[in-house]
Amino acid sequence: SQQGEEDPQALSIQEGENATMNCSYKTSINNLQWYRQNSGRGLVHLILIRSNEREKHSGRLRVTLDTSKKSSSLLITASRAADTASYFCATDARDDKIIFGKGTRLHILP
Amino acid sequence: GAVVSQHPSWVICKSGTSVKIECRSLDFQATTMFWYRQFPKQSLMLMATSNEGSKATYEQGVEKDKFLINHASLTLSTLTVTSAHPEDSSFYICSAPFDGRPYEQYFGPGTRLTVT
Repeated sequence: SQQGEEDPQALSIQEGENATMNCSYKTSINNLQWYRQNSGRGLVHLILIRSNEREKHSGRLRVTLDTSKKSSSLLITASRAADTASYFCATDARDDKIIFGKGTRLHILP
Repeated sequence: GAVVSQHPSWVICKSGTSVKIECRSLDFQATTMFWYRQFPKQSLMLMATSNEGSKATYEQGVEKDKFLINHASLTLSTLTVTSAHPEDSSFYICSAPFDGRPYEQYFGPGTRLTVT
């Protein structure tokens, strides 16, 4: 089953611009995580935000969480070509499971 | 950080044959592991939960007789795709959480299965 829905599904921006991706989910959560996946490769964990947190930073990444709206956003500032990848939000569910959203394919244009 | 490995990283097999994929936690023990499947340009779909010492639990719509899971030890889970068909071609990824920290999961690099 899918828990999260990201939008946009695909995003193309110029290098140096900021990229914002959004994620909405359906049920209550303890944590929300963002992952990156380069084409055909494994997942890279980016950041975890707990349900009692509203905002978290890590380098060029900024994640917000609004539990009242059941939504989160991932902002990548000063984008680089190496940021080209798919980005997924993931929420915890029962029995330690992590459920992924549909993902946003980000393409950074040179 | 913790490392999870998968073997093989890619495999090509003929329709009707079975393929085994291994998932190992290299430097920690995992009583639970998870198996995901990912079709091109799609998200990861949870297939099943592998439990050490007991039967795997499967998500709705996943055929347990087709996708056999064995959690042989605290560091190894295997997924066997039986009687594979071209529609089983996919990217299979496993993950393992630290015991007691379910939100801290470590993902394997994935296995690309192509059934011809």
